[in-house]
Amino acid sequence: DVKVTQSSRYLVKRTGEKVFLECVQDMDHENMFWYRQDPGLGLRLIYFSYDVKMKEKGDIPEGYSVSREKKERFSLILESASTNQTSMYLCASSFLGTDEKLFFGSGTQLSVL
Amino acid sequence: GENVEQHPSTLSVQEGDSAVIKCTYSDSASNYFPWYKQELGKGPQLIIDIRSNVGEKKDQRIAVTLNKTAKHFSLHITETQPEDSAVYFCAASDSGGGADGLTFGKGTHLIIQP
Repeated sequence: DVKVTQSSRYLVKRTGEKVFLECVQDMDHENMFWYRQDPGLGLRLIYFSYDVKMKEKGDIPEGYSVSREKKERFSLILESASTNQTSMYLCASSFLGTDEKLFFGSGTQLSVL
Repeated sequence: GENVEQHPSTLSVQEGDSAVIKCTYSDSASNYFPWYKQELGKGPQLIIDIRSNVGEKKDQRIAVTLNKTAKHFSLHITETQPEDSAVYFCAASDSGGGADGLTFGKGTHLIIQP
């Protein structure tokens, strides 16, 4: 089975802290994605990557950055966490091509106090 | 860009009854429409998808229908069971089906009453 593993299930941070969310996939997928999930707003794409060291902005990249140094690992970085970044963060991966089926991790619930 | 509207936001049905979730999209160029199911404490999982050259697709108790003219598509679940309780997301793609082009609806919380 495809496995997408997010390093933390729950995370509590202080305003202004630098936060790293880690994601690892074991299926040699080219594509990796970070989504944010908020009640009533659905899933919104923050950043995605088609290849190592490559990144593209999604719909809501402000306040976030990403890093992809290895094919299997995609990190989301909050340079200076703010309370409006309290949310569920979902990592996903897929093969490169059309009709790409997304495989999601279980999510990280981040609370910024 | 694409806009996907999903209704209802919450749906409660009796076990054994059918459930229907509806989505509309705005971009007539969209040609790929997946549905994801998210169980409590888990990430979303693809359950069925349809392309624009097909009007209907079935997989056991679930089916998806697409009306390109009206730009809407629906998820149908028959003979609902407790394990169908989850949040369901529809999505539409306007970039050749690539996942970076997916726009998700806001989700429907399906509750199966025993």
